[in-house]
Amino acid sequence: ETGVTQTPRHLVMGMTNKKSLKCEQHLGHNAMYWYKQSAKKPLELMFVYSLEERVENNSVPSRFSPECPNSSHLFLHLHTLQPEDSALYLCASSQDYGYGGNTIYFGEGSWLTVV
Amino acid sequence: GDSVTQMEGPVTLSEEAFLTINCTYTATGYPSLFWYVQYPGEGLQLLLKATKADDKGSNKGFEATYRKETTSFHLEKGSVQVSDSAVYFCALRDSGSARQLTFGSGTQLTVLP
Repeated sequence: ETGVTQTPRHLVMGMTNKKSLKCEQHLGHNAMYWYKQSAKKPLELMFVYSLEERVENNSVPSRFSPECPNSSHLFLHLHTLQPEDSALYLCASSQDYGYGGNTIYFGEGSWLTVV
Repeated sequence: GDSVTQMEGPVTLSEEAFLTINCTYTATGYPSLFWYVQYPGEGLQLLLKATKADDKGSNKGFEATYRKETTSFHLEKGSVQVSDSAVYFCALRDSGSARQLTFGSGTQLTVLP
């Protein structure tokens, strides 16, 4: 059982669609993350939220829009995506953002296919 | 900046063989080191971690020792099983300004019966 739950697990969307990925953590953590995992590329950090405030945005295109309404929930809103955005999107959380020794716990991911 | 270098895969072993996956790192501060495992079709799971030099992390028969002198965190297991087939990622999280996880490229392990 994972303390970080992502929905949907699989999503197929057209380039003109608008969809959202949802993440919920049940660990009482204060920091949440979105990562992108593409084939044959290292994991890429997309966004970090600490206490519901965005603290990092790693040059992610504006067609990806994160939202963190509270410390337990994180969304990734998707619109006008490109086929190269097809990837596994991983949500993660940690106790806090500032301490390097904190473990980052991952969800099972949302497989996104853009057609 | 921070970086993690893992041995390239894929690695194919027979059941009960000894496993070593090499991992070396560069960091500006005093990092914590992690091994994550990703089973087919799933997300990343923490396998083990070490937060300071000479610490040994262990879990499910896997071990890794934080070696500051060689900047390494090699993953070992004495006898692998078919169920260990997965992708293994070495990662670090620095105590300095770079507080995100920096991952290696991953090593695919296949264990044959």
